[in-house]
Parts: sequence; structure tokens; C-alpha cells
Amino acid sequence: DAGVTQSPTHLIKTRGQQVTLRCSPISGHKSVSWYQQVLGQGPQFIFQYYEKEERGRGNFPDRFSARQFPNYSSELNVNALLLGDSALYLCASSSAGGDSPLHFGNGTRLTVT
Amino acid sequence: GENVGLHLPTLSVQEGDNSIINCAYSNSASDYFIWYKQESGKGPQFIIDIRSNMDKRQGQRVTVLLNKTVKHLSLQIAATQPGDSAVYFCAETSNAGGTSYGKLTFGQGTILTVHP
Repeated sequence: DAGVTQSPTHLIKTRGQQVTLRCSPISGHKSVSWYQQVLGQGPQFIFQYYEKEERGRGNFPDRFSARQFPNYSSELNVNALLLGDSALYLCASSSAGGDSPLHFGNGTRLTVT
Repeated sequence: GENVGLHLPTLSVQEGDNSIINCAYSNSASDYFIWYKQESGKGPQFIIDIRSNMDKRQGQRVTVLLNKTVKHLSLQIAATQPGDSAVYFCAETSNAGGTSYGKLTFGQGTILTVHP
């Protein structure tokens, strides 16, 4: 079975630009969460979506937004990129039944220059 | 805010030894705990989980212990192999706000190095 897939795997952007990252959850999983992982640290929660609705939001500025589509895939958008947005962006999915852990993709490595 | 704490320690062991990785958490409302393994260039990989109504749970070569009294979690890896070398994270969560355990709070990680 395919795991969580993310695209692109690597991305280089310039300060001030906008970026869209994509995620396809494990088949049958209806919940998608996004995390930011800065080098040397643990992942930080950004958003959770379930059934196309935002269920939770971490401590990130409004430049960060996301959405979930009817097929449960998701996009993370970041506007007005800053150098500090350089990180590994991870997507995770779960069945949202409260009885299964999050399963992560391999992330998108974003570099802002 | 509440956080799960690993102070980025490193652990070096010889192949075949048992490894113990520790984690302290501070959110008393946490009721679900997960250990992840992260290899270079990859996302976190689920190892084992435990709910707050349990003290111990065993998997294949791994055991997780939960001490709610002192808010401490540990991961034991038996007969550690070179392929176990990675960064290990503990994470905690609860069903607060209807997120259905979709919001994890991670520690900083422990670097495990296994020498052949």
C-alpha cells in the first residue's frame, strides 16, 4: 500500500514568493496534518484538516494556510516567504478515529534564499 | 506552552546491546504517546504507541514504558542493530478540541548511533 506522498520533494524559492506544497494521504485516511521541522528540532504542528474542515491550528502566522479536497488530499500554502520558513514540511495522515497514530510522508524540503 | 522534552542527547551503543531512550512530558492532559524514528532525509516513522491507561506495551524488539506519576516515557530497544541508528522522537497528544489526536507535540529528539 502507498504511504503518505508529498510533492515536490525539494523546492527553492526567493524571499517574498509564494509556495504550494501537496500531500496525498494513505488510502482510507480522512485526516491530514501538516508539520514544520527545522533542522535539529522536532516537528512543529501547523494545521489539521478532517473532512475538509480545519480542526486545529498551531502557532503560525496567517501567511500559512491550507485546505483539504474531497479526495482527502491537501495543500499547504505559504505566502510572502521569509528566510526562516526554510524547513522540512511534513504531511501526516490518520484515520482520525482516535485509535491510530499519525503516519508521515518524507516531506518537502523548502529552501528560501 | 506545554511541551514534551528531550534535550537533544546522543546515545552510542554497540551492536547487540539494549538501548533506552527517555522522554519527559509536561502536559498532564496528554493521554496518547507515540515514539517515532527518523532517518536522514525521511519523515518520522511510527515505532510504537501507548495510551495513558497502560504502563507498558511491547512490540517487536521494542518496549515503551509510561510512568504517569512522574510524567516519563521511555523506549527500550532490544539487541540494537546498526539499522536502528536514527533520531528518535517521543510525541504526545490528546483529543482536546476535537483534533482526534491529529495534533502531536514532539520533543527535540535523541540521536542513537549503533556501532558494529
